Amino acid sequence: AQSVSQHNHHVILSEAASLELGCNYSYGGTVNLFWYVQYPGQHLQLLLKYFSGDPLVKGIKGFEAEFIKSKFSFNLRKPSVQWSDTAEYFCAVNAEEYGNKLVFGAGTILRVKS
Amino acid sequence: DGGITQSPKYLFRKEGQNVTLSCEQNLNHDAMYWYRQDPGQGLRLIYYSQIVNDFQKGDIAEGYSVSREKKESFPLTVTSAQKNPTAFYLCASSNGRSEQYFGPGTRLTVT
Repeated sequence: AQSVSQHNHHVILSEAASLELGCNYSYGGTVNLFWYVQYPGQHLQLLLKYFSGDPLVKGIKGFEAEFIKSKFSFNLRKPSVQWSDTAEYFCAVNAEEYGNKLVFGAGTILRVKS
Repeated sequence: DGGITQSPKYLFRKEGQNVTLSCEQNLNHDAMYWYRQDPGQGLRLIYYSQIVNDFQKGDIAEGYSVSREKKESFPLTVTSAQKNPTAFYLCASSNGRSEQYFGPGTRLTVT
């Protein structure tokens, strides 16, 4: 079945540690890729997106993600996390064959210890 | 200030009752979506609408119904046929295949 996989459901890091959250998808063809974040008690908001061009995209709050087409991956990274990065992170894929629909991964809950 | 509003924030209902969740947007977006969020399952698409007076079933449409009579509004009815209605419901909107913008959500509890 076509899907979006996030490898870790819970991640716990200390402040200043580096972060990498994995995301793999199984759609062929043209895809648009997104990372969304949901801070405690807040709206789901866009962290970054990839449509085309440079496969290394930079988002808000120091986050970046790299699209590796051959690996069907779009991993999220941050060199040094802060306590305020504690949130749930969702990878989402929009495949051209499915029109406007987004398919979400199961989410990764990140807890940053201060 | 543009955005998506959902009301109410918390909703409690007795089993067997239908309940309607409100979603309004003033972003002038053509497409609107309803998702259900459950712990460990991400967001699952219930219904979506790409234009007024038209909507399509998502992945988990059973037990839900929608209408799209106005561009700004996309209410979701959770019917008594929905076997497990207690969840967090999110509404979103977009233009084309661009990013989706989300509302604050409605937490529905059915007892």
